[in-house]
Amino acid sequence: ELKVEQNPLFLSMQEGKNYTIYCNYSTTSDRLYWYRQDPGKSLESLFVLLSNGAVKQEGRLMASLDTKARLSTLHITAAVHDLSATYFCALGGSNYKLTFGKGTLLTVNP
Amino acid sequence: DAGVTQSPTHLIKTRGQHVTLRCSPISGHKSVSWYQQVLGQGPQFIFQYYEKEERGRGNFPDRFSARQFPNYSSELNVNALLLGDSALYLCASSPEEYYGYTFGSGTRLTVV
Repeated sequence: ELKVEQNPLFLSMQEGKNYTIYCNYSTTSDRLYWYRQDPGKSLESLFVLLSNGAVKQEGRLMASLDTKARLSTLHITAAVHDLSATYFCALGGSNYKLTFGKGTLLTVNP
Repeated sequence: DAGVTQSPTHLIKTRGQHVTLRCSPISGHKSVSWYQQVLGQGPQFIFQYYEKEERGRGNFPDRFSARQFPNYSSELNVNALLLGDSALYLCASSPEEYYGYTFGSGTRLTVV
């Protein structure tokens, strides 16, 4: 059974600080997704990573993929309050579905 | 352009009842997937349809069924509702079978 594990599950940061969210998965895949979800809202696509060594950046967020280690990271640089949300990684499988991690609830404090 | 639209946004049902949730994908998108998100958890895959054919089914009981229409819109049906079916139901569309998925705002179902 495919498993996707995120850590930490809860993250409280100060504004201006850097931190990394980790996403480990149990089987090979060619697609790794990162989503953001605000409370009571739907999922907003952040990144799609398609190959080993892929790195994508958007604003203060940078995602990377290491398929050999079965690891993706979401790095937050100089956090601001607007980044407070739940972040999910999801693995694309051959059977068309996405398998999501449990999510990381990020709170950025002044 | 309109995104993925879902209806209704909220509904309350009684145990044992039946519910139909609707999804209209982004124009030009042929793939529609359904996910269930229980509070505090990540979304769980229910179904995927592509070109009106079921391409994937998650680990959900037969009370859950879905279909896709010629215009690529989709319905998710749940029979004999249980309290545990209370969740946010998300629809996602994609231009092809494998690609970036765009999620709708979801339907929040409460079973009482």
